Amino acid sequence: ELKVEQNPLFLSMQEGKNYTIYCNYSTTSDRLYWYRQDPGKSLESLFVLLSNGAVKQEGRLMASLDTKARLSTLHITAAVHDLSATYFCAGSPISGYQLIWGAGTKLIIKP
Amino acid sequence: GAGVSQSPSNKVTEKGKDVELRCDPISGHTALYWYRQSLGQGLEFLIYFQGNSAPDKSGLPSDRFSAERTGGSVSTLTIQRTQQEDSAVYLCASSPRERQGAGYTFGSGTRLTVV
Repeated sequence: ELKVEQNPLFLSMQEGKNYTIYCNYSTTSDRLYWYRQDPGKSLESLFVLLSNGAVKQEGRLMASLDTKARLSTLHITAAVHDLSATYFCAGSPISGYQLIWGAGTKLIIKP
Repeated sequence: GAGVSQSPSNKVTEKGKDVELRCDPISGHTALYWYRQSLGQGLEFLIYFQGNSAPDKSGLPSDRFSAERTGGSVSTLTIQRTQQEDSAVYLCASSPRERQGAGYTFGSGTRLTVV
């Protein structure tokens, strides 16, 4: 059974700093998703990572996937206040169609 | 429509009443999911529809919960005899097909409050 764990669950940081959110998963998964959720809003798809070594970047966010370590990371470079949100990772079991979700990382970026 | 549409956006109901939540997926998307998100929590899978196949209902928390999808498009999630623990945001998502690499598109959710 696939389980997904994120850490940290809460992160407060200053603008301009770099930080990484980690997403570990327990069994083989062939795709890993990152979503963003603003307070009171729905989920916005950020990245889909489909293969070992995949790296995707959008603005100040970069996501990577290491299937051997069963680890995905979301790296924030030179954070800005607008990136404050809750970030979720989710994995999909091979031959399954559900998304198994991490608990989310609430990110607060202080000006 | 351009996105996944859910209605109502907010619903306050008395304990014991029945409620219906509606999801209108993106046109042409054959896969439709219902999730539940409690305050400050991640997402809990409820039910999955794919085309004309039998739905996967394995995530429904009790027999008070049911869902249907008519004509492979609009879906309705029904909660009978609501309880306070049913209070949550109910999210619907669709994708062109299962295991779609491009990801899933979520609706804005229905915030259900049982008083």
